Amino acid sequence: EVQLVEYGGGLVQTGASLRLSCVASGFTFSSYWMTWVRQAPGKGLEWVANIKEDGSEKYYVDSVKGRFTISRDNAKNSLFLQLNSLRVEDTAVYYCVRVVDDWGQGTLVTVSS
Amino acid sequence: SYDLTQPSSVSVSPGQTAKITCSGDLVAKKYARWFQQKPGQAPVLVIYKDSERPSGIPERFSGSTSGAAVILTITGAQVEDEADYYCYSAADNQGVFGGGTKLTVL
Repeated sequence: EVQLVEYGGGLVQTGASLRLSCVASGFTFSSYWMTWVRQAPGKGLEWVANIKEDGSEKYYVDSVKGRFTISRDNAKNSLFLQLNSLRVEDTAVYYCVRVVDDWGQGTLVTVSS
Repeated sequence: SYDLTQPSSVSVSPGQTAKITCSGDLVAKKYARWFQQKPGQAPVLVIYKDSERPSGIPERFSGSTSGAAVILTITGAQVEDEADYYCYSAADNQGVFGGGTKLTVL
């Protein structure tokens, strides 16, 4: 059974940084693209970033380019999202997703002014 | 960038057929997925490759295409199908979600 567990969310002020982690189990982590998707309170889903199996390709939605960095550690079955220069509009539940098909339960990031 | 357009809401009575559309240039060229999200829960994939159903998803869920649109059909909708539904597709190494449709079954 695919399991994805996110960590690292919390309440921060504008301009702060956070690092989200996702630990995967139940599948061969190094064989799959991985994705971060977010959902602001009461809003729809937004694709944020993804990373190739070996980490050699990374893509971002325009609104986070230059501020967020996706990475992975295949030896530890882990996916990361470094969030820098956080804005109020980054407030959301952040989901770790295998490809776009299997989802974790999410971790809440709240950015306060 | 691409946009995917969905109706904000659809309502049906139990046992009726619900259809949710997702339109945009992207789905005319690329495969689409559909996700179901119930309050407080993570999304669940219900359709991939426009019309394929993952294991464990009831047969009443089906997907189809029509021109520059994809359609999620729930034949004989049940009260437990009440949820938000999102279409998704990808191009140029970026994913795009539709705005979501709230399905009410009552």
